[in-house]
Amino acid sequence: GQQLNQSPQSMFIQEGEDVSMNCTSSSIFNTWLWYKQDPGEGPVLLIALYKAGELTSNGRLTAQFGITRKDSFLNISASIPSDVGIYFCAGSPFGNEKLTFGTGTRLTIIP
Amino acid sequence: GAGVSQSPSNKVTEKGKDVELRCDPISGHTALYWYRQSLGQGLEFLIYFQGNSAPDKSGLPSDRFSAERTGGSVSTLTIQRTQQEDSAVYLCASSFHGSYNEQFFGPGTRLTVL
Repeated sequence: GQQLNQSPQSMFIQEGEDVSMNCTSSSIFNTWLWYKQDPGEGPVLLIALYKAGELTSNGRLTAQFGITRKDSFLNISASIPSDVGIYFCAGSPFGNEKLTFGTGTRLTIIP
Repeated sequence: GAGVSQSPSNKVTEKGKDVELRCDPISGHTALYWYRQSLGQGLEFLIYFQGNSAPDKSGLPSDRFSAERTGGSVSTLTIQRTQQEDSAVYLCASSFHGSYNEQFFGPGTRLTVL
């Protein structure tokens, strides 16, 4: 089955810094999604990508659907304390309604 | 509310007991998913319902796990003869068929098996 490698596993940054994380797949995906999970909550959808090369923004968040269709990137600019949490990538190949999730990137902001 | 709801939010049970977890999807969503998330881990797919089709049970870890979806809406995940390794957060998600798999999650049920 599909495998998603998400990196880094964790990040420790200072407030105001920019953040980058990525996911790579062992197979071609038709959809890439990025979620954020706060403690004690379910994941919340941040950005959805449907087309190779697509670049989509949601406030300070920007995500890209890689042109190889096997990777995706999420960038957060000028991080703030509420950005703390776990970020998951997820994707699926064409015609498959099941998502494969990455292992998550835990973001911590150092005071 | 308009989101996915799950109940109970927390469940503590004794080893060997059966538990039922409930999920109310977003109205109009035809697809419903159950996931398990162990402490500090990612999401493990359990089961998927789509309309009136037979569910995809390929992620259920053992025959102690089962799920139903009644009337194409509410779903119940049942774990029989619970074991300590079943302790986890159980998450439910729903999506609208044809929405490129944009799944919307509930808050989860935290299950603790003593």
